Amino acid sequence: KAGVTQTPRYLIKTRGQQVTLSCSPISGHRSVSWYQQTPGQGLQFLFEYFSETQRNKGNFPGRFSGRQFSNSRSEMNVSTLELGDSALYLCASSRQGGENSPLHFGNGTRLTVT
Amino acid sequence: AQSVTQPDIHITVSEGASLELRCNYSYGATPYLFWYVQSPGQGLQLLLKYFSGDTLVQGIKGFEAEFKRSQSSFNLRKPSVHWSDAAEYFCAVATNTGNQFYFGTGTSLTVIP
Repeated sequence: KAGVTQTPRYLIKTRGQQVTLSCSPISGHRSVSWYQQTPGQGLQFLFEYFSETQRNKGNFPGRFSGRQFSNSRSEMNVSTLELGDSALYLCASSRQGGENSPLHFGNGTRLTVT
Repeated sequence: AQSVTQPDIHITVSEGASLELRCNYSYGATPYLFWYVQSPGQGLQLLLKYFSGDTLVQGIKGFEAEFKRSQSSFNLRKPSVHWSDAAEYFCAVATNTGNQFYFGTGTSLTVIP
């Protein structure tokens, strides 16, 4: 079974631009979560989608948004990029979320904002 | 509020030595606890999980962890470390009402030959 796939692996953007990251979950998984990983802050929860609905949201500004499609694939968008948005963005999927549903992570998208 | 503390930022052990990585959590209800490992440039891989039942859980790669409710701890252990175990290790707690995970800040493991 294929794992969680994130594209692209690397991105370089300029401050003020916007970016879209993509995540394809493991087949059969309906929950997709996004995390931002930085050396100083560790793993920070962005949001979680289940059946095309945002079910949980972390403490990030509105510039960070996401969506989930009917095939469970998810995209994350960051508008008006800032230097501090440079990070590894990790997508994780699970069957249905909640108890007995460990997260399965992709290899991440490394975003660099210059 | 839920939180996870990994007191050791960095640990160095010799190959073949035993290992214990510490994890303390704060969560009001029954916790769902996990250990993940991350190699450079990679995502996180699940090592083991605790939901209920036996407080000593076995994971992949020879790792085990023990849940101690009285100490709010979920420490990761391995009897004999291999050079390939060098990586970043994350402890996490999940809420039982959704799919929101809270991660510790990680422990970086260096293995010396």
